[in-house]
Amino acid sequence: SQTIHQWPATLVQPVGSPLSLECTVEGTSNPNLYWYRQAAGRGLQLLFYSVGIGQISSEVPQNLSASRPQDRQFILSSKKLLLSDSGFYLCAWSVVEETQYFGPGTRLLVL
Amino acid sequence: DQQVKQNSPSLSVQEGRISILNCDYTNSMFDYFLWYKKYPAEGPTFLISISSIKDKNEDGRFTVFLNKSAKHLSLHIVPSQPGDSAVYFCAASALRDQLTFGKGTKLSVIP
Repeated sequence: SQTIHQWPATLVQPVGSPLSLECTVEGTSNPNLYWYRQAAGRGLQLLFYSVGIGQISSEVPQNLSASRPQDRQFILSSKKLLLSDSGFYLCAWSVVEETQYFGPGTRLLVL
Repeated sequence: DQQVKQNSPSLSVQEGRISILNCDYTNSMFDYFLWYKKYPAEGPTFLISISSIKDKNEDGRFTVFLNKSAKHLSLHIVPSQPGDSAVYFCAASALRDQLTFGKGTKLSVIP
């Protein structure tokens, strides 16, 4: 069966510091991978998606970036965090069907 | 411009009664719809989906209804149980693997 991991589970970072959140998927090959952010009152916002290694599409222009160095690894990064980057970050995967399956999430607090 | 709208931020229902969660969409190109359930500090869990070629899909206590002419879908939970208390997200897709989410409705099932 497929599983998806995210770490860390919780992160507190100062404004201006860098960020690296990691997501890995097990039990499937060549998945589509996604990064979402859930901010208060704003639902789930798609940030990035990837259909393959090195292929990243950005949905929302911001100071975040994503990379996919391996087939089942997806990384969300920032060089300098802003207060507005606080939120709950979710990684998800899918194969050709539309259903996406989510990881446990990372709660980020930028102070 | 929100393409998927969940106009009720919260809903309270007595245990054993029916819960009806509503979702409206504006993009006529959406052809696949999903409901996710989310507990605090966890990733969303896929519940049920429906393709635009159907108007109803049932899975145990959960039934999703789709009214394409009204661009409206609803999730019925019957009977409601306290463990159903969570935030429910409606999502829609016009492409094979990109989802647009609503802001969610918080369901509270009162024992």
